[in-house]
Amino acid sequence: AQRVTQPEKLLSVFKGAPVELKCNYSYSGSPELFWYVQYSRQRLQLLLRHISRESIKGFTADLNKGETSFHLKKPFAQEEDSAMYYCALKGRGGGADGLTFGKGTHLIIQP
Amino acid sequence: ETGVTQSPTHLIKTRGQQVTLRCSSQSGHNTVSWYQQALGQGPQFIFQYYREEENGRGNFPPRFSGLQFPNYSSELNVNALELDDSALYLCASSLERGRDGYTFGSGTRLTVV
Repeated sequence: AQRVTQPEKLLSVFKGAPVELKCNYSYSGSPELFWYVQYSRQRLQLLLRHISRESIKGFTADLNKGETSFHLKKPFAQEEDSAMYYCALKGRGGGADGLTFGKGTHLIIQP
Repeated sequence: ETGVTQSPTHLIKTRGQQVTLRCSSQSGHNTVSWYQQALGQGPQFIFQYYREEENGRGNFPPRFSGLQFPNYSSELNVNALELDDSALYLCASSLERGRDGYTFGSGTRLTVV
């Protein structure tokens, strides 16, 4: 069975400090990993896909297959980064398994 | 280009009743998936439709059923509502079964009393 674990329910950091949101996964195969973000009163938005290896809003995430992790990082946090962040996994079975989400981490950036 | 729209935004139903939630997929998307998000939890996959056929299902009982129409819009039906069905129901659309990621709607907040 596939599973996504986000160990921190809440993470509070000061503006300008580095941010790392942890995500570990369990999947017997080669998954696709995503980070979704939900700002206050807005819908879930795709932030990053590991396949595209791009940087969005200064965030990056590297898939570490050895540690089965996909941690989200940003070197200097900004107040507008405050939001709910969800890590998600998609199996390679033609989308038949949908997305498996973690429980989310609430990131608060303090001024 | 329009995004994913869901209706209604809020709904209150009585235990035992039936409910239908609707979703219009983003223009050009042929895949729709549905998720249930309980308070304080991440979304949980209910099922996915691709070109009008169900092509994946999560761990939900048969009283959760759905449809996808030729224009790729979709419905989620829940029969015999239970109190635990109270949640935010999210619809997400994509190209080709999740290629390039999913676009989410704002959700329908269902309260069962």
